[in-house]
Amino acid sequence: NAGVTQTPKFQVLKTGQSMTLQCAQDMNHNSMYWYRQDPGMGLRLIYYSASEGTTDKGEVPNGYNVSRLNKREFSLRLESAAPSQTSVYFCASSPRGTGVSPLHFGNGTRLTVT
Amino acid sequence: RKEVEQDPGPFNVPEGATVAFNCTYSNSASQSFFWYRQDCRKEPKLLMSVYSSGNEDGRFTAQLNRASQYISLLIRDSKLSDSATYLCVVLEGNFNKFYFGSGTKLNVKP
Repeated sequence: NAGVTQTPKFQVLKTGQSMTLQCAQDMNHNSMYWYRQDPGMGLRLIYYSASEGTTDKGEVPNGYNVSRLNKREFSLRLESAAPSQTSVYFCASSPRGTGVSPLHFGNGTRLTVT
Repeated sequence: RKEVEQDPGPFNVPEGATVAFNCTYSNSASQSFFWYRQDCRKEPKLLMSVYSSGNEDGRFTAQLNRASQYISLLIRDSKLSDSATYLCVVLEGNFNKFYFGSGTKLNVKP
C-alpha cells in the first residue's frame, strides 16, 4: 500500500548547494508531477511527465530540472538552491487515460534554504 | 486571472452546521473536477470527484455547473474532524495539467 513515496521528508540546504528529491510510485501510473506549495499560493506545478520518456515545464520551472528515470520514478533536482526555493514539495501521480483520473500525492518534502 | 479561484475563508461554523464552498474555473475546455482535503502541513487527499450530474458521498455533495464554470461542495452535519482546507482542482485534458485553487479553510467549532 505504498502509493507515492517521496524522500527525504525534510532537508536544510545552504544557498548554492544542490540536491535531488526522489519520488516513486507503485500504482503503474503513466503521469507524474512535481508541485511546490507556499503559504497563500496554493500548489503550483513545477514540472510534469505525461508518460515515461517525456517531461514538460509547468508554471514555475526555473531553477529546477527533472528526470523520468522509468515509469515508477520521477526526480526533481535543484542545481543551485536559493532561499526562494524554500517550500513544501509534493510529488503526485495519475493513471491518465479515459475517465476520471485524480492525482495521488506523496507525503511531501519540507525544504529550507538558508 | 487565475485558472481556479476559491474564497480563502476561513469559514467558522458550529458542529452540525451545513456549509458550502464554491470554486470558479476559467477554461471552458476543462475536463475533470475534484475536491481535495488538506490537513495542516500534510499532503492533499482526494475527497471526491465531481461528476456532471452531481454526486453525493455521505455528508458531502458536489455539483458542477459548466455553463457558469463553477463547482461547489456542500458539507452537511459538520464534524470537528471536517476542519481542514478544501482544495478545488481542475484537470485540463488536452495538456494533462491539474490546476489548484488556493483552498478554502474550514474551522468547525464545538
